[in-house]
Amino acid sequence: DAGVIQSPRHEVTEMGQEVTLRCKPISGHDYLFWYRQTMMRGLELLIYFNNNVPIDDSGMPEDRFSAKMPNASFSTLKIQPSEPRDSAVYFCASSLVGVSSPLHFGNGTRLTVT
Amino acid sequence: GESVGLHLPTLSVQEGDNSIINCAYSNSASDYFIWYKQESGKGPQFIIDIRSNMDKRQGQRVTVLLNKTVKHLSLQIAATQPGDSAVYFCAEKKGNTPLVFGKGTRLSVIA
Repeated sequence: DAGVIQSPRHEVTEMGQEVTLRCKPISGHDYLFWYRQTMMRGLELLIYFNNNVPIDDSGMPEDRFSAKMPNASFSTLKIQPSEPRDSAVYFCASSLVGVSSPLHFGNGTRLTVT
Repeated sequence: GESVGLHLPTLSVQEGDNSIINCAYSNSASDYFIWYKQESGKGPQFIIDIRSNMDKRQGQRVTVLLNKTVKHLSLQIAATQPGDSAVYFCAEKKGNTPLVFGKGTRLSVIA
């Protein structure tokens, strides 16, 4: 089991540039989540999908953020244009369906916007 | 790779001692709880979970206790080892809603 795979591990970009983060969930998992982790706010849920359909995107900070899940094995989180305050570690996680299914996290993408 | 902040509560324990990490959760209707461990540069890793119809669950060297009366969750680690040094998060959920994470506690093991 390869676990949840995220790429890139590190991304450094200049303010105003577009950033795309990628995630491959664990095969067979029905749910996919995008979280952001910062010093000040801890782990925040941005959006989650069930069977590739976005269920709740109320955590997406603003219209500059968008997420897609074109198929069961791939999701992207895009920030356009990026701003310095977007600097954080972004995690993708997946889980099976069910009320007692834990999330399995990837190792995250550390984003730095200068 | 820092993944958590400088202002987390910190628990320092001697190697070989038992550790107890506490968490106050927010939603009295939550029915599922998880403890995660996060090491530097990695994502949170599942440790142990418990459903609301239980008050105790044991794993290998870890025990989770749930007190629904006061909305309190604790993680006990027996014979703490240097490899246990990490940030520990509790998380709660109700039904099929997403997990809500606490702020975390940093465990530092003194060799």
